[in-house]
Amino acid sequence: AQTVTQSQPEMSVQEAETVTLSCTYDTSESNYYLFWYKQPPSRQMILVIRQEAYKQQNATENRFSVNFQKAAKSFSLKISDSQLGDTAMYFCAFMKYNNNDMRFGAGTRLTVKP
Amino acid sequence: EAQVTQNPRYLITVTGKKLTVTCSQNMNHEYMSWYRQDPGLGLRQIYYSMNVEVTDKGDVPEGYKVSRKEKRNFPLILESPSPNQTSLYFCASSPRNEETQYFGPGTRLLVL
Repeated sequence: AQTVTQSQPEMSVQEAETVTLSCTYDTSESNYYLFWYKQPPSRQMILVIRQEAYKQQNATENRFSVNFQKAAKSFSLKISDSQLGDTAMYFCAFMKYNNNDMRFGAGTRLTVKP
Repeated sequence: EAQVTQNPRYLITVTGKKLTVTCSQNMNHEYMSWYRQDPGLGLRQIYYSMNVEVTDKGDVPEGYKVSRKEKRNFPLILESPSPNQTSLYFCASSPRNEETQYFGPGTRLLVL
């Protein structure tokens, strides 16, 4: 079974600084997807970024980028120029290719301080 | 507006009283899922459906039932709720050929 581990329950960063959230996963699959979701205090789940395992290039979405290391089964999220609105719970998630079985990590609570 | 809706958003009930949480999507998505979110555990998948009349168990299916009679609806049924089912529940949907899931707003359930 696939497992997703987020080893940092809580993190904080100063506004405008850069922060990296860690995620590792365990799978025997060769083709899969990885995601980072953001959950602000409203509890809404918002997709931040996604990565397809067969793509070598790291995904980027504006201030958000990932460092995908397939061999190490690592998928970290970097947030540049942190903003107060980035304060949220962040979940890393794994999904097998062509399947709807999605696994989430326990989450990292990020606080951006003014 | 493309969206996933859940009802009710908040529910307080008592042990053993059957309840249903509805989920509906207006995006013609094939895939739908139910998750529960608990502190320190993240989101865990309860059931998922890859098409009408096709459902599969996720990580934590015990105590739950689902049905997919229509493409747009995927209700979650708790036949005899217990306090350990107190949680925040999310429904999600996605198109067949796209892996991104679109989440509903969540249903907070308290079982006394």
